[in-house]
Amino acid sequence: AQTVTQSQPEMSVQEAETVTLSCTYDTSESDYYLFWYKQPPSRQMILVIRQEAYKQQNATENRFSVNFQKAAKSFSLKISDSQLGDAAMYFCAYRSARRAGANSKLTFGKGITLSVRP
Amino acid sequence: GAVVSQHPSWVICKSGTSVKIECRSLDFQATTMFWYRQFPKQSLMLMATSNEGSKATYEQGVEKDKFLINHASLTLSTLTVTSAHPEDSSFYICSATRGGADTIYFGEGSWLTVV
Repeated sequence: AQTVTQSQPEMSVQEAETVTLSCTYDTSESDYYLFWYKQPPSRQMILVIRQEAYKQQNATENRFSVNFQKAAKSFSLKISDSQLGDAAMYFCAYRSARRAGANSKLTFGKGITLSVRP
Repeated sequence: GAVVSQHPSWVICKSGTSVKIECRSLDFQATTMFWYRQFPKQSLMLMATSNEGSKATYEQGVEKDKFLINHASLTLSTLTVTSAHPEDSSFYICSATRGGADTIYFGEGSWLTVV
């Protein structure tokens, strides 16, 4: 079974600075997807960024980028120029590339609460 | 982007009664839907996976008879909490996908309070 580990329960960053959220995972599969989701106080799950395991290039989305180290099974999220609106709970998630029903489920880490100091 | 809607957003029910939460994919056909439960400041716990037209696959430790999941059409899945008790009070979230490697879309979630 796949597992996702987020060992830091909380982090804080000064507005306009950069913060990195850590995530490691364990799997025996070679083809999979990794995600970072943001959950603000509204509780709506928002997809921040997605990485395909077969791609060597790290995904980026505006101020958000990842450092994907497949051999180390590490998938960290970097938030640049942090904004007050970035304050939320962030979840790292794994999804198998196998396509049938339950195999397409997301496995989440425990999450990390990010606060942004003005 | 694709939209998944949950209803109701908030529900309060009396202990011992049943309550139904709906999850609808508004602009796509969802072959697979997932139901999660989330306690405050904790992660999403997968309860079950439902495929249209077939029985849901429940995660270990989730009571099938207590949390009834039905995926009767490609746009609707329902979660019924039967004989609800205060410990069932929680935030329930559904998600849906067309299948395969398609993006998974989340509903807004539903707060259940059992009094």
